[in-house]
Amino acid sequence: IAGITQAPTSQILAAGRRMTLRCTQDMRHNAMYWYRQDLGLGLRLIHYSNTAGTTGKGEVPDGYSVSRANTDDFPLTLASAVPSQTSVYFCASSDGQGAKVKNQPQHFGDGTRLSIL
Amino acid sequence: AQSVTQPDIHITVSEGASLELRCNYSYGATPYLFWYVQSPGQGLQLLLKYFSGDTLVQGIKGFEAEFKRSQSSFNLRKPSVHWSDAAEYFCAGYNNNDMRFGAGTRLTVKP
Repeated sequence: IAGITQAPTSQILAAGRRMTLRCTQDMRHNAMYWYRQDLGLGLRLIHYSNTAGTTGKGEVPDGYSVSRANTDDFPLTLASAVPSQTSVYFCASSDGQGAKVKNQPQHFGDGTRLSIL
Repeated sequence: AQSVTQPDIHITVSEGASLELRCNYSYGATPYLFWYVQSPGQGLQLLLKYFSGDTLVQGIKGFEAEFKRSQSSFNLRKPSVHWSDAAEYFCAGYNNNDMRFGAGTRLTVKP
């Protein structure tokens, strides 16, 4: 079944450690996104990639980095995790028009639940 | 600033009753509008979208939404709720390279 795969499903991490969340899509969408979901705040965009080889900052980029070496993969890295990064992280993809975020509906993975202690 | 607001954090309805979830937007121009549903432990799934044209939009699972420009609203409705509709619902708006999500409305369905 086509879609987005995120790994790991959940992780408990000590503060100060480095962590990479993986995201792979098989829909050949140009754009990919990373969101964090926190209670009462909805989804907030961390980073986006309009197409392979390009990335950009979203609403809450500090403490996170991304890369987009190819169309399918869009890993999110926390270089030195802090407790405020405890959240549920969602990867999404879409196509359509737009130089930053595309105007078509986004397809979401099932999320990574990350706890920083 | 562009924003999407869902005024209701939590709504409880009885199974078989009608449902309306509210969504208001604040944009300089009419945005593209979306409703998503999120079941526990899963990602968001698209219910329906509005780009232009007919202001009453039909979606999956028996949901519909009506775009009202005069009220800056895009409310989601369902005539008869099923227990399986219990979930979190998110409204989203797109304009000028920016997608904004509301904070979500959690729906509880009573037997």
